[in-house]
Amino acid sequence: AQSVTQPDIHITVSEGASLELRCNYSYGATPYLFWYVQSPGQGLQLLLKYFSGDTLVQGIKGFEAEFKRSQSSFNLRKPSVHWSDAAEYFCAVSAGGGGADGLTFGKGTHLIIQP
Amino acid sequence: EAGVAQSPRYKIIEKRQSVAFWCNPISGHATLYWYQQILGQGPKLLIQFQNNGVVDDSQLPKDRFSAERLKGVDSTLKIQPAKLEDSAVYLCASSFGEAFTEAFFGQGTRLTVV
Repeated sequence: AQSVTQPDIHITVSEGASLELRCNYSYGATPYLFWYVQSPGQGLQLLLKYFSGDTLVQGIKGFEAEFKRSQSSFNLRKPSVHWSDAAEYFCAVSAGGGGADGLTFGKGTHLIIQP
Repeated sequence: EAGVAQSPRYKIIEKRQSVAFWCNPISGHATLYWYQQILGQGPKLLIQFQNNGVVDDSQLPKDRFSAERLKGVDSTLKIQPAKLEDSAVYLCASSFGEAFTEAFFGQGTRLTVV
């Protein structure tokens, strides 16, 4: 069975600084990987996804993520954070490409933005 | 395009009572999911429907939870009787049901069992 580990429960970053959120997965075959963001009282919004091809994927809101098979990682990055980026971030893995199979989520990383 | 609709947004019940949640997926989406998100954790898949058939319900506590998707469109999730540990946000999601597509989530129903 697949699993996802997000090692950082909370991360605090100053506005304008760069950001990296860590995600490690466990899955026997080629994984389908996702990053979602959840603002308070809201549902989950997809930031980006990786299915195959280029290991550096671009998403919405200026986010990007890099798939590293050798490290079983799919870290999320942003060069300069904005106060509106404060939210909960979830990494997820699917066996069937998300739409064809349910997602397994990590426990999330709570991002705090300092002014 | 309308998103995934869920109701109610909030519900407070006493333990041992029953409760039902409703979800209307995005039009044309064949696959519907129910997730449970306990405070401080990531969502956990409870059940997945493809049209009106169940694909995966391995993590659904079937002694108290039930779900149906009549006519392959909207769905209801029921808890009877509720326990304190059922307090969570219940998220509904839908997708076209094909590989390389994404799931879209509703805003969820926050359940508090007292």
